[in-house]
Amino acid sequence: DGGITQSPKYLFRKEGQNVTLSCEQNLNHDAMYWYRQDPGQGLRLIYYSQIVNDFQKGDIAEGYSVSREKKESFPLTVTSAQKNPTAFYLCASRGGGRANTEAFFGQGTRLTVV
Amino acid sequence: EDKVVQSPLSLVVHEGDTVTLNCSYEVTNFRSLLWYKQEKKAPTFLFMLTSSGIEKKSGRLSSILDKKELFSILNITATQTGDSAIYLCAVEGNNNDMRFGAGTRLTVKP
Repeated sequence: DGGITQSPKYLFRKEGQNVTLSCEQNLNHDAMYWYRQDPGQGLRLIYYSQIVNDFQKGDIAEGYSVSREKKESFPLTVTSAQKNPTAFYLCASRGGGRANTEAFFGQGTRLTVV
Repeated sequence: EDKVVQSPLSLVVHEGDTVTLNCSYEVTNFRSLLWYKQEKKAPTFLFMLTSSGIEKKSGRLSSILDKKELFSILNITATQTGDSAIYLCAVEGNNNDMRFGAGTRLTVKP
């Protein structure tokens, strides 16, 4: 089945550790996105990528890093520099270009710092 | 700075009521506005709007965009308890960036 998969669903991290969240899509989409959602709030853009080997900072990129070495994959690393990393993280993909298509979301990863 | 503002942030209604959710935006090089419904985890797509004045409709839900006044509304008629969710508005700029508002939490009581 075509779709977008995030893993793991739940992740616990000790303070001071880096952790990487996985996002894989088999929809042949060019554009991919990472968002953070805090309780009772909307989605805030962390990073996005229009094509392979290219990505741009969103509104809250500090303390996060990404890579886009393959079209299918857009992993997000939460570094120790992120002071308040506990949140729900959502990955999305869409066709990109000028196609004006909807974005599809993964099921999210809930990260908790312990 | 690009901005998407939704109102109200929270709304409680009874089954059968009609609701109107608002989304205003300031975005450089606007391309499209999208509405999503989030019940548990992954938001699900409702509408994408690119042209002013053209209503999109799906069952009891409808939406319209005003590019001159920079806003969109999402209407839900004859609400049901299953409509309870967070409704998210997103705006896409020319670089494929897609920014969301804070969402409207709708609660429909029996």
